[in-house]
Amino acid sequence: AQTVTQSQPEMSVQEAETVTLSCTYDTSENNYYLFWYKQPPSRQMILVIRQEAYKQQNATENRFSVNFQKAAKSFSLKISDSQLGDTAMYFCAFMGNNDMRFGAGTRLTVKP
Amino acid sequence: DSGVTQTPKHLITATGQRVTLRCSPRSGDLSVYWYQQSLDQGLQFLIQYYNGEERAKGNILERFSAQQFPDLHSELNLSSLELGDSALYFCASSVVGTGELFFGEGSRLTVL
Repeated sequence: AQTVTQSQPEMSVQEAETVTLSCTYDTSENNYYLFWYKQPPSRQMILVIRQEAYKQQNATENRFSVNFQKAAKSFSLKISDSQLGDTAMYFCAFMGNNDMRFGAGTRLTVKP
Repeated sequence: DSGVTQTPKHLITATGQRVTLRCSPRSGDLSVYWYQQSLDQGLQFLIQYYNGEERAKGNILERFSAQQFPDLHSELNLSSLELGDSALYFCASSVVGTGELFFGEGSRLTVL
């Protein structure tokens, strides 16, 4: 079974600075998707960014970018110019042939 | 608004009771997923349906069951409820080929 590991339970960053959240995963599949979801205090699950495993180019979405290392099975999220509204739980997720599996999450706090 | 509708939003019940959570996926999405999120925990995959058929099963208790109806809405039935079943239950639907899950706002179950 696929496993997703987020080794940083909590992180904090100053407003306007950059922070990187780590994620590793384990799979024997070759074709899959990786995601970062954000869960603010409202508890709504919001997609931040998506990466297809067959694409070598790292995905970017405005201030959010990933560092996808397929051989190392690593998928980190970089948030640039952090904003107060980025304060949330961030979940890394893996989807292979069937279901989507989530990591335990990293609680990010952006400090003014 | 993700387009995924979950009802009820909040539910309070007693131990030993049975409840049904309902999910309407986005228009055109054939897959429905159910997840359980206990307080300050990650999302635990319960079960997935695709076009009415069970596709994948996670750590779903025998006291829990689900189904997807011909109109593609899904119901999660929780019986013989225990205090530990108190959680936020998410439904999500997916677009075939992109892997992305669209989440409802969740149903918060409190068992007293």
